[in-house]
Amino acid sequence: QQQVKQSPQSLIVQKGGIPIINCAYENTAFDYFPWYQQFPGKGPALLIAIRPDVSEKKEGRFTISFNKSAKQFSLHIMDSQPGDSATYFCAAETSGSRLTFGEGTQLTVNP
Amino acid sequence: DAGVTQSPTHLIKTRGQQVTLRCSPKSGHDTVSWYQQALGQGPQFIFQYYEEEERQRGNFPDRFSGHQFPNYSSELNVNALLLGDSALYLCASSRGSQETQYFGPGTRLLVL
Repeated sequence: QQQVKQSPQSLIVQKGGIPIINCAYENTAFDYFPWYQQFPGKGPALLIAIRPDVSEKKEGRFTISFNKSAKQFSLHIMDSQPGDSATYFCAAETSGSRLTFGEGTQLTVNP
Repeated sequence: DAGVTQSPTHLIKTRGQQVTLRCSPKSGHDTVSWYQQALGQGPQFIFQYYEEEERQRGNFPDRFSGHQFPNYSSELNVNALLLGDSALYLCASSRGSQETQYFGPGTRLLVL
């Protein structure tokens, strides 16, 4: 019940495309859903986060869509750039508690 | 404003040895969490420290222990190292019960 399922495992898009990464969870006690971006050899960097009381949040080119009834949430990257090539992790948390991460999506944006 | 810092950046040990990793939280943060990230996988929660006490623990054996100091910095100790302990060890800090956790660059541990 603590798992967060993430898909796809890898994703290749052309520059300007809109990659979409999906996550699903079971534990309804989760109340905070961040996305992290990780480059090789670096720690995860917080990208954007959402709480279950809103259905969508935008920050720059990054958008989270949240479906509370389906227990699913997704990350959309608008106008993707080669510099966005990285591994993306969704995560879920209960009020300042531990983060439970998805398995990660390796995104490649071709020029 | 310094972010989360970790030391050392890389470490090579042999099976059976012991290792200590260090973390300094982001300024103003008082809660430190440790995660283990195996190659190609998402980070796995080890434990969390707040007010110098272990507040939560993940599914890791007692060989993994930690400490938090009065200045909120923290150490992760791993005893009797196994080959499977080779991973990137990440420290994350946050403020009290606030959700947002900020990660350091990690310590890459290789056990031979």
